[in-house]
Amino acid sequence: DSGVTQTPKHLITATGQRVTLRCSPRSGDLSVYWYQQSLDQGLQFLIQYYNGEERAKGNILERFSAQQFPDLHSELNLSSLELGDSALYFCASSVPYGYTFGSGTRLTVV
Amino acid sequence: AQTVTQSQPEMSVQEAETVTLSCTYDTSESDYYLFWYKQPPSRQMILVIRQEAYKQQNATENRFSVNFQKAAKSFSLKISDSQLGDAAMYFCAYRSRNRGSTLGRLYFGRGTQLTVWP
Repeated sequence: DSGVTQTPKHLITATGQRVTLRCSPRSGDLSVYWYQQSLDQGLQFLIQYYNGEERAKGNILERFSAQQFPDLHSELNLSSLELGDSALYFCASSVPYGYTFGSGTRLTVV
Repeated sequence: AQTVTQSQPEMSVQEAETVTLSCTYDTSESDYYLFWYKQPPSRQMILVIRQEAYKQQNATENRFSVNFQKAAKSFSLKISDSQLGDAAMYFCAYRSRNRGSTLGRLYFGRGTQLTVWP
């Protein structure tokens, strides 16, 4: 158990819909990183939050947004979903010299 | 931007044998970390081994060791005495130590799928 909790584990939704993915970092960790893993793009960094503030943005689409709440959990909101958004979405929190990852949310857009 | 290249999409090894996975990276920085992550069929990302660029000594974790060649920007992973449980996708990753806009994000290679034959 990495200590990073992601819910739900699986999500199936239709095109055009909106979903919210949730991540709770390890106890005491202030940072959250979101990654998308797809077959064609590999592992792509989306966005980072640290203690409630956005710190860095990667290849995140405008249809996607995220936030980190005072209790440090984070939510990734994906809207106007397209078939190409089907992927595994990971969150991670940083540990000395690396990351620990959650088990991911598998999103399938049909 | 930093790039990480894994030139072997697939590798296979016989159980108990040794296999080496290759990784090269491109950066203009001198201070960084390198990692190997394992992703088994469960899809969990598991840290296998890490290397600090300022350390000349190659990192070792039990059956896993790296060959870090800083000048050549090469970072290969050697798995000794391969076991069936080593079968997974292996990702090489880079992280800057410089505090800037990247702020600790990881840059990943595309991965190498390792098959272990009994």
